[in-house]
Amino acid sequence: AQSVAQPEDQVNVAEGNPLTVKCTYSVSGNPYLFWYVQYPNRGLQFLLKYITGDNLVKGSYGFEAEFNKSQTSFHLKKPSALVSDSALYFCAVSYGGATNKLIFGTGTLLAVQP
Amino acid sequence: DGGITQSPKYLFRKEGQNVTLSCEQNLNHDAMYWYRQDPGQGLRLIYYSQIVNDFQKGDIAEGYSVSREKKESFPLTVTSAQKNPTAFYLCASTDSNSGNTIYFGEGSWLTVV
Repeated sequence: AQSVAQPEDQVNVAEGNPLTVKCTYSVSGNPYLFWYVQYPNRGLQFLLKYITGDNLVKGSYGFEAEFNKSQTSFHLKKPSALVSDSALYFCAVSYGGATNKLIFGTGTLLAVQP
Repeated sequence: DGGITQSPKYLFRKEGQNVTLSCEQNLNHDAMYWYRQDPGQGLRLIYYSQIVNDFQKGDIAEGYSVSREKKESFPLTVTSAQKNPTAFYLCASTDSNSGNTIYFGEGSWLTVV
């Protein structure tokens, strides 16, 4: 079965420290991978995506993610966390290039302490 | 500004009532989607439409209905058959020019009272 997992419900990090939000997936074929961020009572905002090419993808607000095919992972990273990065982060994967087949993880709450 | 507009932001429904959530986009996107968000469960697809006058059931379509009479509009009706409708509902859209990226509206909260 196609699935995506975010193993951590919450990640805590001090402001200025690097952050990592983990995502692993299990899909057939070549996946399209996405990260979205959600602030309280708001819709999801697109951060970045991997479809093909360079395994390191750079996105909005200084975030980046690395596609690792052998480990079937797509972890979100940022070198220096800001308090304003505190939000709910969703990893999503589509397979077969079909947007109607987009599967979301359960989300990881990122808390950045000042 | 281009975007996806959902209304109302907050809606209360009495038992046995049908309610309709509005979704309008001016991005000229062909495909539109409705997702339901519950705490700890991520997003689940209710219905999607790839083109005007056509739509398909998603993973949790029971108790919901949609229409796609215009390219820019994709309203969702939550019927009385939906037994647990209290949730955050998100509309989204995309087309081939956006590289398979789905863009979301700001969401609508539905609460049963």
